[in-house]
Amino acid sequence: ETGVTQSPTHLIKTRGQQVTLRCSSQSGHNTVSWYQQALGQGPQFIFQYYREEENGRGNFPPRFSGLQFPNYSSELNVNALELDDSALYLCASSFLDTKNIQYFGAGTRLSVL
Amino acid sequence: AQSVTQLGSHVSVSEGALVLLRCNYSSSVPPYLFWYVQYPNQGLQLLLKYTTGATLVKGINGFEAEFKKSETSFHLTKPSAHMSDAAEYFCAVSEPPNFGNEKLTFGTGTRLTIIP
Repeated sequence: ETGVTQSPTHLIKTRGQQVTLRCSSQSGHNTVSWYQQALGQGPQFIFQYYREEENGRGNFPPRFSGLQFPNYSSELNVNALELDDSALYLCASSFLDTKNIQYFGAGTRLSVL
Repeated sequence: AQSVTQLGSHVSVSEGALVLLRCNYSSSVPPYLFWYVQYPNQGLQLLLKYTTGATLVKGINGFEAEFKKSETSFHLTKPSAHMSDAAEYFCAVSEPPNFGNEKLTFGTGTRLTIIP
């Protein structure tokens, strides 16, 4: 049990729609990272937030956006969904220090039809 | 840029046998290295990590890994496999944390099957 919770666990959308995924970080953590894990692949870094500011971004288009709130919970928003966005989306929380230990939630499985 | 290569997308071992999962990395700076395990329909759980210092690191569930700079490797081992070890294993690399570069770069994973 990592103390990181994500909601919903599963979601089905159609192409062109918008989706919001949510993450509640482990208590005391000030950093949240989001990853996309396509079927049969390793997780790919989307972006990271530290104290409500974006703090690094991977190779994802601007239609992937995020928010981090004062209580360190977070959202991942994806606009104009495409079929290739179907994946497991993982949230990881950490404390920005020298160890870079990230604790992962169970993920949200998004299916785009 | 950093990258990770995991040799063998599927590995099968008999219960009680040695587990060896291979990971090679590429990094232009001293790396931080991690092994994560993923059980079906679950997120990633940290098994062990190497940051600095001792190159042989021990993790949970009897796993250990050795950082070999000359070979750019960080292979995961366990002396005796247990049925509960069946899962997907991911090796990951990051740069030493420096505000903004804490992203993890993962390999494509190795599915470990335990034969009774």
